[in-house]
Amino acid sequence: LAKTTQPISMDSYEGQEVNITCSHNNIATNDYITWYQQFPSQGPRFIIQGYKTKVTNEVASLFIPADRKSSTLSLPRVSLSDTAVYYCLVGASGNTPLVFGKGTRLSVIA
Amino acid sequence: KAGVTQTPRYLIKTRGQQVTLSCSPISGHRSVSWYQQTPGQGLQFLFEYFSETQRNKGNFPGRFSGRQFSNSRSEMNVSTLELGDSALYLCASKREAGGPNTEAFFGQGTRLTVV
Repeated sequence: LAKTTQPISMDSYEGQEVNITCSHNNIATNDYITWYQQFPSQGPRFIIQGYKTKVTNEVASLFIPADRKSSTLSLPRVSLSDTAVYYCLVGASGNTPLVFGKGTRLSVIA
Repeated sequence: KAGVTQTPRYLIKTRGQQVTLSCSPISGHRSVSWYQQTPGQGLQFLFEYFSETQRNKGNFPGRFSGRQFSNSRSEMNVSTLELGDSALYLCASKREAGGPNTEAFFGQGTRLTVV
């Protein structure tokens, strides 16, 4: 499984766009990149998944460069309720377990 | 549709006791995984069950075990509890198999405190 590296923490003001970058230098050809969000004392929640280029949904955008060695989760106009830990995961088939790193603790300030 | 349900939500046990936690996955999901989350170690994978068979296993001692029933509900058991087993235990279900890592849906967790 490809190892991921992401910042331990980030701070942002409300209304700003937040970009969290994840490095995964050893990503394999058939690996997908998935991001989860976790609030305190709750289970993680799926945010977005992608393979290459750009993916956008109602919550976030995921940018993946051509070499796929990194990815950036973009949260537009964050609010206080976006304060959470964000995890970047890299993996392939549906029958491999999710492996979580330490994640990035995002604090949104009013 | 109903989400992943874990029971109980909170539990206090004494060292040396054993405990059983329950997880009911989303209807139609056949894969159930268990995770342990502590402040020091983060989210760690315990094991995964698919169609009543353990498919993947993390690096935990044999005191941690699990099983899955024919209706996909799963239980995990921890025997001879230690103080270090105090954690949030999370269960996740997936619809499954093949293709990219299918979205996993997590329950609210069971907060286990060992005293």
